[in-house]
Amino acid sequence: SQELEQSPQSLIVQEGKNLTINCTSSKTLYGLYWYKQKYGEGLIFLMMLQKGGEEKSHEKITAKLDEKKQQSSLHITASQPSHAGIYLCGADIELNSNSGYALNFGKGTSLLVTP
Amino acid sequence: GAGVSQSPSNKVTEKGKDVELRCDPISGHTALYWYRQRLGQGLEFLIYFQGNSAPDKSGLPSDRFSAERTGESVSTLTIQRTQQEDSAVYLCASSLGFRIPKETQYFGPGTRLLVL
Repeated sequence: SQELEQSPQSLIVQEGKNLTINCTSSKTLYGLYWYKQKYGEGLIFLMMLQKGGEEKSHEKITAKLDEKKQQSSLHITASQPSHAGIYLCGADIELNSNSGYALNFGKGTSLLVTP
Repeated sequence: GAGVSQSPSNKVTEKGKDVELRCDPISGHTALYWYRQRLGQGLEFLIYFQGNSAPDKSGLPSDRFSAERTGESVSTLTIQRTQQEDSAVYLCASSLGFRIPKETQYFGPGTRLLVL
C-alpha cells in the first residue's frame, strides 16, 4: 500500500513568516491532493497536482509536485492567522471493485500562526 | 445544499449501543465515500458507493460497520455494538464519480463520535 509521510507534524510560525509543508510518498503519485482541515468545517479542498514538475498557486498558497512525482510541498507566503489548521496531503488509491478510487491520506501537519 | 452535509455533528453514546450517522452528498454527485479519522491518525477509507453499483466495503474495519445509500442520494453509516475504539470523526465525501482518478472529493464537516 502507498504510505504518505508528512513533515513537520506540527508547526508554529509568527504571522507574516513563510513556511513549507512536505508530503513524501513511497510510490509514484498519479494524483496528489492538498486539503485543509479546520474544526467543525471538515476538509477544504486546496489544490490537485498531476504532472511531474507541476506547480499551482491560490492566493498565498503554492503547491508543487516534484519531477519524479514522489514528493509534494505546500508553501505559504506571509502567513496569516486564517491559515491555521491541519494540512493534509492525499493520493488516489485504486479500489478493487467498481473501478473506483478513494484517497489515502498522510497524518497531517498542524499549523498555528501566532500574532 | 451547496456542500456535503452530515448529521449529527456530535454523538456521544455508551459502549454497546448502535449508532447511525447520516450523509447528504452534493446534488448530482454519484460517488460517495466514508472515511474515519481517529485521534492522532490519518483518514482511513471505509466504504465507497458509485451509482447503483454494489459498494466497495474493503475499508470497513469489522462486521459491526455497515452502510447504505438510497440511489444517488443520502447515505447512512451504522455502527453496531459500539466500542471505545470506534471513537473518531467520521467524514463523508462525494464526487462526480467519473470513475477516473484525479477527481476532486468534497468533504462534509464530519460527525464526532465519542463512545464512553
